[in-house]
Amino acid sequence: GNSVTQMEGPVTLSEEAFLTINCTYTATGYPSLFWYVQYPGEGLQLLLKATKADDKGSNKGFEATYRKETTSFHLEKGSVQVSDSAVYFCALSDRRGGSYIPTFGRGTSLIVHP
Amino acid sequence: GAVVSQHPSRVICKSGTSVKIECRSLDFQATTMFWYRQFPKQSLMLMATSNEGSKATYEQGVEKDKFLINHASLTLSTLTVTSAHPEDSSFYICSARGLADTDTQYFGPGTRLTVL
Repeated sequence: GNSVTQMEGPVTLSEEAFLTINCTYTATGYPSLFWYVQYPGEGLQLLLKATKADDKGSNKGFEATYRKETTSFHLEKGSVQVSDSAVYFCALSDRRGGSYIPTFGRGTSLIVHP
Repeated sequence: GAVVSQHPSRVICKSGTSVKIECRSLDFQATTMFWYRQFPKQSLMLMATSNEGSKATYEQGVEKDKFLINHASLTLSTLTVTSAHPEDSSFYICSARGLADTDTQYFGPGTRLTVL
């Protein structure tokens, strides 16, 4: 079956540091890939997505490139802020039985210190 | 656009009672809605997929008689936790997928259920 593997957290950084959160996946088809962000006590918000190989998703300074050859979708940001502190989920959406079914990673907690 | 609401945001109930959680897509029609359960500091566990006008598809290990899902319209799905017990206490999150964007989900803010 499909699976998503994320690096374990928490990731602790100082403000303005460079961020990388690794994500790799296994899928039988050609999935779309997503990053979601969850702030404390809230639901998930879509951060960015990519639907095919070599696509780059970007939003709010975050980027991730769909790498089919390495089955990866690593999240990066050049300069993090305290307000970026949250849990980040990597996910894929693949067709199963005629419908798109999501699979989520376990989430990576990011803590940014001033 | 693509706003999903959940109600209530928090609910506390006694053991043995039933609790209904609503999930609404506010500015789009959702052909498919998903219900998740999230334990503290863990990922989301997909409980079921509901398509408007048809029966929900439950994931393995999820009791369909305990977690009743109804998707009566293109903007509303409900999850009813029947005869709730303390082990049902959790954060329940719904998501919705629209007609046009079939691979992207939009999430509600979640409902914190506490069963005493």
